[in-house]
Amino acid sequence: DAKTTQPTSMDCAEGRAANLPCNHSTISGNEYVYWYRQIHSQGPQYIIHGLKNNETNEMASLIITEDRKSSTLILPHATLRDTAVYYCIVSPLGTNAGKSTFGDGTTLTVKP
Amino acid sequence: NAGVTQTPKFQVLKTGQSMTLQCAQDMNHEYMSWYRQDPGMGLRLIHYSVGAGITDQGEVPNGYNVSRSTTEDFPLRLLSAAPSQTSVYFCASRPMGRLNEKLFFGSGTQLSVL
Repeated sequence: DAKTTQPTSMDCAEGRAANLPCNHSTISGNEYVYWYRQIHSQGPQYIIHGLKNNETNEMASLIITEDRKSSTLILPHATLRDTAVYYCIVSPLGTNAGKSTFGDGTTLTVKP
Repeated sequence: NAGVTQTPKFQVLKTGQSMTLQCAQDMNHEYMSWYRQDPGMGLRLIHYSVGAGITDQGEVPNGYNVSRSTTEDFPLRLLSAAPSQTSVYFCASRPMGRLNEKLFFGSGTQLSVL
């Protein structure tokens, strides 16, 4: 599976948009981009995933560049409860899925 | 559905002791995996399985054994615990071969080896 690179930490003001970048320059054509977050020491929670089109759900938006080498997770109106570690991973679907490996993620701190 | 259930939540071992961390899921997921998370660090993959009878190594498999005799259960065995294995352990599962293959995580087992 392709590796990802994320900034170690980011701050965001409450109510503002939080934009979390991820670099995955070695991504393969069949690999999806997934985002998860981990609040305190809980198990990580799925946020969103996509292949090449931009995606939006009730939690966030995912913007993937045209060459698929990087992506940005957008939390449109960050709240204090969004303070967490955010992980970007890449993984294929289906029976060839194999390993799902995580890096160290980005610690997002939302400040009042 | 209970989702992914891990037991125990906390465990203290002495060096050299053995134990099994239990993981069960009731979502009929083919894929299951074990991660460890050291303080201030990300998750590192220990072992994973893509179905009953099939297991493979992840990034940090040494000191751990797994087996997958049923779809529901994926226990992690520490044969001879070492202080370096002090960590929080997460089990995860996901479906395979479908569109929304997101990982579901358990609540974790905090293990201390003295």
